[in-house]
Amino acid sequence: DTEVTQTPKHLVMGMTNKKSLKCEQHMGHRAMYWYKQKAKKPPELMFVYSYEKLSINESVPSRFSPECPNSSLLNLHLHALQPEDSALYLCASSQEDTDTQYFGPGTRLTVL
Amino acid sequence: AQSVTQLGSHVSVSEGALVLLRCNYSSSVPPYLFWYVQYPNQGLQLLLKYTTGATLVKGINGFEAEFKKSETSFHLTKPSAHMSDAAEYFCAVSDRWAAGNKLTFGGGTRVLVKP
Repeated sequence: DTEVTQTPKHLVMGMTNKKSLKCEQHMGHRAMYWYKQKAKKPPELMFVYSYEKLSINESVPSRFSPECPNSSLLNLHLHALQPEDSALYLCASSQEDTDTQYFGPGTRLTVL
Repeated sequence: AQSVTQLGSHVSVSEGALVLLRCNYSSSVPPYLFWYVQYPNQGLQLLLKYTTGATLVKGINGFEAEFKKSETSFHLTKPSAHMSDAAEYFCAVSDRWAAGNKLTFGGGTRVLVKP
């Protein structure tokens, strides 16, 4: 099974709201990733966690705050977002941080 | 630095015809290469990958790709297109020796299948 789940599927939030995106995998993978994908563009890497520790932050604004509470769960906390942050947010996981990445279905975020 | 170029942002094929999606990469180290497919409003699904060994790689849904080091290419083919193949396809490369397993994606190719 190569399933990565993400909730919610859709999220609409105002610029002053605080919300969180959730990603879960039960494949025993030790690396997890957040990507942002704008319409008609390829995914862009935001963060990488390896063994529950943040290993890469691709210069993402601080209004995006990742959290890895355990090896199966990855959160992305959102605060004071801008309309240009509207996008599809994809989570992925891999066995190790050198292996094939498997993606979740994504959360479609709209910031009003 | 690595980069990926997908020739043609849109490809239109007739049902039953050959599907050929082109991908060229640049990498200073032996790459890992991937093709992912994305259906509308969905995440990315792995079609196939090349790491080492046999240069002709078979994937799901009848797709295959051939790694050609001399041409720095990893083109994706399917002998006979099906309506369900209509989707966005992304070629990607990762640096196997870099920490963090960063995937570099091409710009994507949208496939339209005509009945």
